[in-house]
Amino acid sequence: GQQLNQSPQSMFIQEGEDVSMNCTSSSIFNTWLWYKQDPGEGPVLLIALYKAGELTSNGRLTAQFGITRKDSFLNISASIPSDVGIYFCAGQAPTSGTYKYIFGTGTRLKVLA
Amino acid sequence: NAGVTQTPKFRVLKTGQSMTLLCAQDMNHEYMYWYRQDPGMGLRLIHYSVGEGTTAKGEVPDGYNVSRLKKQNFLLGLESAAPSQTSVYFCASSPHHKGNNEQFFGPGTRLTVL
Repeated sequence: GQQLNQSPQSMFIQEGEDVSMNCTSSSIFNTWLWYKQDPGEGPVLLIALYKAGELTSNGRLTAQFGITRKDSFLNISASIPSDVGIYFCAGQAPTSGTYKYIFGTGTRLKVLA
Repeated sequence: NAGVTQTPKFRVLKTGQSMTLLCAQDMNHEYMYWYRQDPGMGLRLIHYSVGEGTTAKGEVPDGYNVSRLKKQNFLLGLESAAPSQTSVYFCASSPHHKGNNEQFFGPGTRLTVL
């Protein structure tokens, strides 16, 4: 099935550094969602984006809906140890009709204290 | 609100056994979904429901059945479990509002089929 390209697959950063990750698709989306998943837990919604060019923040997290509607970006500023986890993007295509989403394969973030 | 809950949290089955996974949501959401999550892959949609009494196939429906007899519950059944169905299963729900269709996930069920 169709999947989004999410990069990087994993990253190690020092505490206090900023983090950037992105998702790209060959088709356009109406909605982008960003989730974080901790080990042994379900994904938790971080940010929802509904409009091309939209920039939305949630604390130290900022996400953007790409102008082309084929990509989205998530930035984490001043990372802390609890930012460790897997970050997923999810996109909803205009033709889905029933609010089905396609999920990226995740970016695994590890923060070194 | 409890949000989305799933039972059981863990289960081990032998090949050929059957079981039912229960998902419940208390947010009055119209839409509910079942996904499986395997290492190195994104969440893959098994089945979904757009309302009480309705179900539809997702990306990987083979070997699974679902039922949505009540709006708040969505059941996933495995009639004859196979080792390939070893996975983590997540249920999600979303409202049916234009411009707000965020999906909220349960904590997952970890299933091992021997």
